[in-house]
Amino acid sequence: TQLLEQSPQFLSIQEGENLTVYCNSSSVFSSLQWYRQEPGEGPVLLVTVVTGGEVKKLKRLTFQFGDARKDSSLHITAAQPGDTGLYLCAGSGDYKLSFGAGTTVTVRA
Amino acid sequence: SAVISQKPSRDICQRGTSLTIQCQVDSQVTMMFWYRQQPGQSLTLIATANQGSEATYESGFVIDKFPISRPNLTFSTLTVSNMSPEDSSIYLCSVDLLGLNYGYTFGSGTRLTVV
Repeated sequence: TQLLEQSPQFLSIQEGENLTVYCNSSSVFSSLQWYRQEPGEGPVLLVTVVTGGEVKKLKRLTFQFGDARKDSSLHITAAQPGDTGLYLCAGSGDYKLSFGAGTTVTVRA
Repeated sequence: SAVISQKPSRDICQRGTSLTIQCQVDSQVTMMFWYRQQPGQSLTLIATANQGSEATYESGFVIDKFPISRPNLTFSTLTVSNMSPEDSSIYLCSVDLLGLNYGYTFGSGTRLTVV
């Protein structure tokens, strides 16, 4: 079983601040995906990173895949209350997705 | 992207009873996945449902407790049998329209409370 460790578990910040969520593993993944889940909804895919060292930007969100394809980070610039949610990383391998424990992000107005 | 309809969205059930959750996709997909998300926790894969064959269950999950049907390429059901309070969770179906390496689409989930 591939284990993904996410940190921090909880993050509460003021609107306009920056934040970073980390996702680490001792296993190599074919790809790493980030999802955001809001209460009462299923996770929604934000981005997929496939190549080691890859950096993807989605408006104020920046995603990075480690060179060895074992870890990833999500950085949000100038966070807004709409960024509030549960952020999940997931690694693909062995014909299935393995999810991290999640980071609950709260952005206060 | 695919639209997944999952129902019921929530239910409160008596212990010892069973609940069947339905998942309908607006596209034909080879594999459908069932996950459990316990309160405040991440997603755990229960089983993978392939059309025309028996579902493949993950360690810790058995067919007698979580029977799955997959009658066609757009529909699947998960039954939670002989429920106990420990089965209280969110159950989610998902599909990999983009392919395993590119992302899953999830239904909105079924919030089950067993009393």
